Amino acid sequence: AQKITQTQPGMFVQEKEAVTLDCTYDTSDQSYGLFWYKQPSSGEMIFLIYQGSYDEQNATEGRYSLNFQKARKSANLVISASQLGDSAMYFCAMREGKQAGTALIFGKGTTLSVSS
Amino acid sequence: DTGVSQDPRHKITKRGQNVTFRCDPISEHNRLYWYRQTLGQGPEFLTYFQNEAQLEKSRLLSDRFSAERPKGSFSTLEIQRTEQGDSAMYLCASSLVWGGRATDTQYFGPGTRLTVL
Repeated sequence: AQKITQTQPGMFVQEKEAVTLDCTYDTSDQSYGLFWYKQPSSGEMIFLIYQGSYDEQNATEGRYSLNFQKARKSANLVISASQLGDSAMYFCAMREGKQAGTALIFGKGTTLSVSS
Repeated sequence: DTGVSQDPRHKITKRGQNVTFRCDPISEHNRLYWYRQTLGQGPEFLTYFQNEAQLEKSRLLSDRFSAERPKGSFSTLEIQRTEQGDSAMYLCASSLVWGGRATDTQYFGPGTRLTVL
């Protein structure tokens, strides 16, 4: 069965520093998609970044990058130059199934706290 | 482009009552999803639609739950005879899937927080 594991319940970082949030996944499919979402205390899930299993380059979106290591089945999120507004819950998710548009399965999340 | 909206944002009800939530997806998105999130957990999939057709239901979606998307636009999620265990955040998301496009990002609404007393 497909599974997402986020082993860090909480992470602390100072403003302007970089931080890496860990995510490992388990699937027997060759084709899959990996996502990271941010959930502030308001509750809304905000899409950050996507990596397809066949993408050769690591995905980047502004200050977010995804360190994709296929052989290790890891998809860590790197946030560069942390800001106070980055304090939130972060979820790693995987598309369940080979086809686009199917359900996502989520990890338990990591709480990131950014201090000044 | 307006985002996904959900109504109500908060609902408090007594055990045994029925509740209904509404989700309006991003216009032109053909897929609509419902998830449930309990405290300290990631969202769990409930069901999804392509246009008006309900394509998949999770085993979490007991007989007391029913979802509809009658005209392929907004969707409703109804919970009958609510139980305290139904207390959770109910999240709706939408996406545009065409021609097998693999970047099928789901965009989420603000959620409806249900409290069953």
